[in-house]
Amino acid sequence: EDQVTQSPEALRLQEGESSSLNCSYTVSGLRGLFWYRQDPGKGPEFLFTLYSAGEEKEKERLKATLTKKESFLHITAPKPEDSATYLCAVQASGTASKLTFGTGTRLQVTL
Amino acid sequence: NAGVTQTPKFQVLKTGQSMTLQCAQDMNHNSMYWYRQDPGMGLRLIYYSASEGTTDKGEVPNGYNVSRLNKREFSLRLESAAPSQTSVYFCASSPSLGQREAFFGQGTRLTVV
Repeated sequence: EDQVTQSPEALRLQEGESSSLNCSYTVSGLRGLFWYRQDPGKGPEFLFTLYSAGEEKEKERLKATLTKKESFLHITAPKPEDSATYLCAVQASGTASKLTFGTGTRLQVTL
Repeated sequence: NAGVTQTPKFQVLKTGQSMTLQCAQDMNHNSMYWYRQDPGMGLRLIYYSASEGTTDKGEVPNGYNVSRLNKREFSLRLESAAPSQTSVYFCASSPSLGQREAFFGQGTRLTVV
């Protein structure tokens, strides 16, 4: 059974204090790993897709990386507007219909 | 572009009542999905439609039905609501099942009393 575990559950950073969020996964064969951002009361917003170990993608202050067992979302010099819940999901090979989501990391960035 | 539009945003039902959640997308996507999100649990797939004219069960389909009315619209129906169906429901769409860079709607917060 595919599993996704995100840590920490919650993270509080000061503005400018860089950190990383972790997404550990177990899947029979990885077709893709997805990162989403979710603001309170809103639907998830797509950020990145990673397909193979060693791949990296960047968007503004966010950089996602992938290994064979986990993915990291690095946040460099965060701002208060980066506060949100970050969700990770995996799609296994051969099961195009199914995405397995983690429960998310709730990030709060304070001044 | 509006993206994915869901209605209603909030709903309170009594146990046993029925209702339909509406979803429409304007991105010409082939695939559409219904998820539920509960505290402490990841998003779970209820039903999906790979393309117009097809629908399939996801992880948690019991108590729900869906209709893919056309390429744009995908509705979710609760025939006899139960308190266990209290949740936030999200509709999403993507270019295809294999391309899962999905766009989500704003969600429907449903309470069944």
